[in-house]
Parts: sequence; C-alpha cells; structure tokens
Amino acid sequence: AQSVTQLDSQVPVFEEAPVELRCNYSSSVSVYLFWYVQYPNQGLQLLLKYLSGSTLVKGINGFEAEFNKSQTSFHLRKPSVHISDTAEYFCAVSAPAMDSSYKLIFGSGTRLLVRP
Amino acid sequence: DGGITQSPKYLFRKEGQNVTLSCEQNLNHDAMYWYRQDPGQGLRLIYYSQIVNDFQKGDIAEGYSVSREKKESFPLTVTSAQKNPTAFYLCASSTAVLYEQYFGPGTRLTVT
Repeated sequence: AQSVTQLDSQVPVFEEAPVELRCNYSSSVSVYLFWYVQYPNQGLQLLLKYLSGSTLVKGINGFEAEFNKSQTSFHLRKPSVHISDTAEYFCAVSAPAMDSSYKLIFGSGTRLLVRP
Repeated sequence: DGGITQSPKYLFRKEGQNVTLSCEQNLNHDAMYWYRQDPGQGLRLIYYSQIVNDFQKGDIAEGYSVSREKKESFPLTVTSAQKNPTAFYLCASSTAVLYEQYFGPGTRLTVT
C-alpha cells in the first residue's frame, strides 16, 4: 500500500534563507507526486506536481522539488523564503483505488515558520 | 471564475443532529472528494465520486453519507452516528486525466 512520510512536523527558518521540506513515499507501482500549500483556515493549493519526465519540477511561488526514484523521495525546496511562505505544506502521492480510479494519499504535513 | 465553493465557512451544531455540508464546482470535473482534516493528521478521505449517481467509501466513511445527483454538486451529511464530528472538512475535484485535485476553502464544523 502507498504511504507518505513527512519527516519534519515543523521547520523554522529565517527570512531569505533556503529551506528544504522532506517527503518520502512508499509504493509498489509508478506514482504521481504532489506538493500542496495550506494557509490558515483555507483550502489546499497545488504548488507543483510530478507526473513523468524531468525529475526536477518547478512550481509556483519559487518552489521546486526533485523526484528521486532510488531514494523514494520528493523533497521541496526554495532558495530564499519570505514571511508570506509561512504555511502548512503537504506532500501527496497518487494511489489506485478499489474502482480502478486514483486517490491521493497525504502526508501529515510540515509547518514552515519563517521568522524575520 | 472557475472553482469550488463550500458553504458555510463555519458551522455549529448540537450533538445528535445531522448536518449537511455543501460543495459545488464549476470546473466541469468528473471526480469529487470529501476529506476530513484534524490537527497533526493530514487529510483523510471520507467519500469520493468518479461520476454522477456513483460514489465510493474512503478510509473513514463511518458516520457520513453523500449523494451525487448532479455533476456540479457533492454534498456531505455528517450524521449523529459520527462519534467525533468536530473537524475541518475539505471538498476537492479533479479530472481523471490530470490526477491533481483542486480544493475548496473548507468548512469548519463544531459540534457541542
């Protein structure tokens, strides 16, 4: 069965510093991978996705992620964070459902806290 | 503008009452989903629907019910059988081809 592990529940970082949010997954089949961001009391917004092709994926707001099949990882990075990046970040992996459709399995989330 | 709407934003109910959460989308997506979010636990799938008049149980369907009579609408009823209904509920939709899901703003339900 597919699963997603986000190793850090909270990551504090100073403004303009680089950041990496870690995500590891387990799956016996080919997967599609996603990162979402959630601001307080709001829904989730798609940051980026990996479906196939280049393993380095660029998303919105200056974020990027690298798919590493051998390490089953999909870490999220940003070279210089802003106060406005403070939010909860979720990694997700697609998984086949019982009716041959797909569903998303989410990690438990990482809270990014950017300090001035 | 295309998107997903959920109403109301905040909902308060007394224990023992059923309550229905609204979810509407104008993205012309075939698939719709309901998730429950609790602090520190990420999102857990309650129900999903790939097509009108058909839906499937997710991982935590007990105490919930849904209907999908129209492509645009996927209401969720939290019944009195749900033992711990206080949570943040998120609705999402997707196309079968693109896989990624688009989320509504959520409804925070408090049951006392």
